[in-house]
Amino acid sequence: QKEVEQNSGPLSVPEGAIASLNCTYSDRGSQSFFWYRQYSGKSPELIMSIYSNGDKEDGRFTAQLNKASQYVSLLIRDSQPSDSATYLCAVNRRSGYSTLTFGKGTMLLVSP
Amino acid sequence: NAGVTQTPKFRILKIGQSMTLQCTQDMNHNYMYWYRQDPGMGLKLIYYSVGAGITDKGEVPNGYNVSRSTTEDFPLRLELAAPSQTSVYFCASSSRGETQPQHFGDGTRLSIL
Repeated sequence: QKEVEQNSGPLSVPEGAIASLNCTYSDRGSQSFFWYRQYSGKSPELIMSIYSNGDKEDGRFTAQLNKASQYVSLLIRDSQPSDSATYLCAVNRRSGYSTLTFGKGTMLLVSP
Repeated sequence: NAGVTQTPKFRILKIGQSMTLQCTQDMNHNYMYWYRQDPGMGLKLIYYSVGAGITDKGEVPNGYNVSRSTTEDFPLRLELAAPSQTSVYFCASSSRGETQPQHFGDGTRLSIL
């Protein structure tokens, strides 16, 4: 079982729609979860972080965490063409020091 | 703020050559990391450091070496370049603690021919 799994996509949504990106993880001891956005040819940039069960909202972005189901998601409301990118889910690994395990990412395409 | 700075941005090496990828950060972060990213793949951790003089292997350390003599700098050394090391390399840094996010440099695109 892969440690952090994401659907590779592409996920295609029309402009203005809600995009839903999903991630599952295998380590039940994981405590911190991050979503990064990566434009083609660029470096990852942090979008959201979440540490507790439930929802966390920041502008058009909402992160959702369910530790019992080992599931974290990112919702993007009112999707814009500029949101077209690959979204990476990252989960901390409890190995004594703080390291992250990344999923392969989901490509999101928002069409005008 | 400069953040995390990586040099060079692009490099072509011949098989068997050596080189050092430079990484420096000005955020006074204790933790620093090196990742590689192959096309269509996620980030794979090569090495990391939790402070000056302390380094540890990540998921894919073979063929690489690191050192951390200062808080700011974390160079990655390739001793005998192989085609399998063709990749994009990212350096990142973070503050201490599991809740602290990592901040990435712009990356180095390395081709081994």
